[in-house]
Amino acid sequence: DTGVSQDPRHKITKRGQNVTFRCDPISEHNRLYWYRQTLGQGPEFLTYFQNEAQLEKSRLLSNRFSAERPKGSFSTLEIQRTEQGDSAMYLCASSLAGGGTEETQYFGPGTRLLVL
Amino acid sequence: AQRVTQPEKLLSVFKGAPVELKCNYSYSGSPELFWYVQYSRQRLQLLLRHISRESIKGFTADLNKGETSFHLKKPFAQEEDSAMYYCALSGPNFGNEKLTFGTGTRLTIIP
Repeated sequence: DTGVSQDPRHKITKRGQNVTFRCDPISEHNRLYWYRQTLGQGPEFLTYFQNEAQLEKSRLLSNRFSAERPKGSFSTLEIQRTEQGDSAMYLCASSLAGGGTEETQYFGPGTRLLVL
Repeated sequence: AQRVTQPEKLLSVFKGAPVELKCNYSYSGSPELFWYVQYSRQRLQLLLRHISRESIKGFTADLNKGETSFHLKKPFAQEEDSAMYYCALSGPNFGNEKLTFGTGTRLTIIP
């Protein structure tokens, strides 16, 4: 297992188009998180899943954003009708919660989105 | 609302000199505090967490609840410490949900 993977690593799209990103967590990790990072800022929480259940969504996640984790393994983040303000690095992280040890979030390499 | 403040965007330190990266937080409760690091061309990774009270790569951080601070310190900087450092907190359930990050400090070690 090489850690959390994300696909694609880079995406350029035109305003108004839909985009979908994929995150594959570390095997056996039951929690999966999405964050967004814009230039000069730290990562900002978007949403997270415990297994297939989406437990929390940030108010940053407008109704144009939707995330799924259908089988409790990989997750997708879709942005509909992209806007230039959506340009950012989208980070995925996974963790193992409830295993009796301290939970650590492991981050993927991110997907860099540029909306023209 | 929970917030993490890192007042220095950039910090340059000579090799061998002490390093201190500042972090202040606001949170109405008992948060868990973390330092994450991102080396050049690598992904974000956990450096240390306050609850572990460990020294990682020579770095330590003490949680000061009175000053709501969690500064990262190292007595003697090394060139490989050059990286982007983020302070983060989680709450409210003292689990590792929903990390709130600061804006980060880019540390450069001058040879």
